[in-house]
Amino acid sequence: GAGVSQSPSNKVTEKGKDVELRCDPISGHTALYWYRQSLGQGLEFLIYFQGNSAPDKSGLPSDRFSAERTGGSVSTLTIQRTQQEDSAVYLCASSTRTTMVASGGSYEQYFGPGTRLTVT
Amino acid sequence: DAKTTQPTSMDCAEGRAANLPCNHSTISGNEYVYWYRQIHSQGPQYIIHGLKNNETNEMASLIITEDRKSSTLILPHATLRDTAVYYCIVITAKTSYDKVIFGPGTSLSVIP
Repeated sequence: GAGVSQSPSNKVTEKGKDVELRCDPISGHTALYWYRQSLGQGLEFLIYFQGNSAPDKSGLPSDRFSAERTGGSVSTLTIQRTQQEDSAVYLCASSTRTTMVASGGSYEQYFGPGTRLTVT
Repeated sequence: DAKTTQPTSMDCAEGRAANLPCNHSTISGNEYVYWYRQIHSQGPQYIIHGLKNNETNEMASLIITEDRKSSTLILPHATLRDTAVYYCIVITAKTSYDKVIFGPGTSLSVIP
């Protein structure tokens, strides 16, 4: 079946411009995550959506970053007034998780191919 | 949140077992250990997870120490395609949602 898709695959933008990155999770997955990976670094958690609960935004690096998830499906990550340090690969993941880990629920995240953002 | 530490890089000869260690000394009783890997320019791939028992699947084995303060991911017969960055992570459960914290991982190079 179709996996997680992201668009665009590559985005080059000038410093100070706003960008929107899109994520289409696997159909039926209630949980959606955004991460970013800078060159040579590990994955950095940004934000997490689970069903209708308020998103966990604790990983967002600044108030220039925001994310929405409409209708419990597609998500958009917006970066305003981009800076060069925002250059990274932005990864989206989704999972079926609906139960807590302590109850034995599995926790496989399915990742998209990412969007490579370059701020010049 | 429990943190993990891994060696920055490792080499392994093709065909030999690759043993990737991970320390998670502050892990709490209801936290799971998960392993992912990321091959260059691709998204991360789930490998295996466990709570306290050793686990095995078609990709790898996971050995968790009795005190759960460390674990080892074993790729029994490494191939060149296993060259990737391997991430050991601990799942934090909080009310009805989780947050996954990835560290820098271990860069595994499989040598012909």
